[in-house]
Amino acid sequence: DQQVKQNSPSLSVQEGRISILNCDYTNSMFDYFLWYKKYPAEGPTFLISISSIKDKNEDGRFTVFLNKSAKHLSLHIVPSQPGDSAVYFCAASGYGSSNTGKLIFGQGTTLQVKP
Amino acid sequence: ETGVTQTPRHLVMGMTNKKSLKCEQHLGHNAMYWYKQSAKKPLELMFVYSLEERVENNSVPSRFSPECPNSSHLFLHLHTLQPEDSALYLCASSQDVRNNQPQHFGDGTRLSIL
Repeated sequence: DQQVKQNSPSLSVQEGRISILNCDYTNSMFDYFLWYKKYPAEGPTFLISISSIKDKNEDGRFTVFLNKSAKHLSLHIVPSQPGDSAVYFCAASGYGSSNTGKLIFGQGTTLQVKP
Repeated sequence: ETGVTQTPRHLVMGMTNKKSLKCEQHLGHNAMYWYKQSAKKPLELMFVYSLEERVENNSVPSRFSPECPNSSHLFLHLHTLQPEDSALYLCASSQDVRNNQPQHFGDGTRLSIL
């Protein structure tokens, strides 16, 4: 049973517009959430994270929103650029006292930004 | 040097071979991880090491044997693998294993089992 889900396998947006990538989770013990970007033949690159004590975190063009009641987070990219075309993974962690750094990943969403 | 380096980038081996994957991090981190990514599946955590001590073994078959001789190096020893073990193997590191610590990944080893 997948605890972190990205229900949209792909997304296509026009350059300059907003990209919104979504992620849902089922485990209420998760308290730390991350977004990674992955280009072909490269490893995932950390983008932005958010702790469950916040509902928004912003870093330049990237903003992550967390809705704990809905167990939903989203990544907004504004404005989108062709270089943002990649696979985006959301991940979650937080098992109370276990603290083994275990991250649970979603399946990924492929973003294509058209010039 | 890039943050997390994995070698080799590609590996083809038979089911009876023994090989090792290597990971080295230059970030001064204390925790290191092995992940497996199979086609069309999410990344799956395999092992976690904190200060050279294994703290997580995510029900991985014994044909995968990790080794962490120091906090900068991590190996994954492979023997008698199965075709379903063909996947991308990713190494990551973080400052430590506490929550709220992003993990930084290498570029992975693409493993193919004949």
